[in-house]
Amino acid sequence: EAGVVQSPRYKIIEKKQPVAFWCNPISGHNTLYWYRQNLGQGPELLIRYENEEAVDDSQLPKDRFSAERLKGVDSTLKIQPAELGDSAVYLCASSGRGWVEDDEQFFGPGTRLTVL
Amino acid sequence: LAKTTQPISMDSYEGQEVNITCSHNNIATNDYITWYQQFPSQGPRFIIQGYKTKVTNEVASLFIPADRKSSTLSLPRVSLSDTAVYYCLVATGQGGKLIFGQGTELSVKP
Repeated sequence: EAGVVQSPRYKIIEKKQPVAFWCNPISGHNTLYWYRQNLGQGPELLIRYENEEAVDDSQLPKDRFSAERLKGVDSTLKIQPAELGDSAVYLCASSGRGWVEDDEQFFGPGTRLTVL
Repeated sequence: LAKTTQPISMDSYEGQEVNITCSHNNIATNDYITWYQQFPSQGPRFIIQGYKTKVTNEVASLFIPADRKSSTLSLPRVSLSDTAVYYCLVATGQGGKLIFGQGTELSVKP
């Protein structure tokens, strides 16, 4: 079974440019998460989807970040415009049993963003 | 919201048992404790999960005392390939917040 797929794996952009990350979760997983991981830190949740509904986006900087999961399968996270402080690894994860406290999350390899 | 605290780093040698403790003083009644492992350039990977007492699987054991304010991940007989960052995660059902600890960087030496 294929794991969580993310693309691109690496992205280098100039500040003020837009950037988008794509995630395809494990087949059948209804819950999808986007995390941001700064160097030397643990992942920080940005947004969580249950199917196509964003049920927790309280940590998403909405002035420049947006996300969508139109058909409840794959998802796109966008930053526009990017700032220097957005340089980080963006991780996508999915889980299969909806939002329960003990639901295992499966992570993709992440997209490493560098903003110059 | 439960917040976790872990040692920043630990060193060990091959064949030793490693115990990493995570503190989560404000854990809620319905929270589970989960540990993830992360290698460089990879996403975290689930290791083990528990609610109370002791849980054991093929790679680790998790010890949770009765008050649940801390937990200890135990890795028996570590090898060089266990060198990674280990995260303690308290899954907080209230409000859907998922909080990773700062992570413990484990270095296993030959």
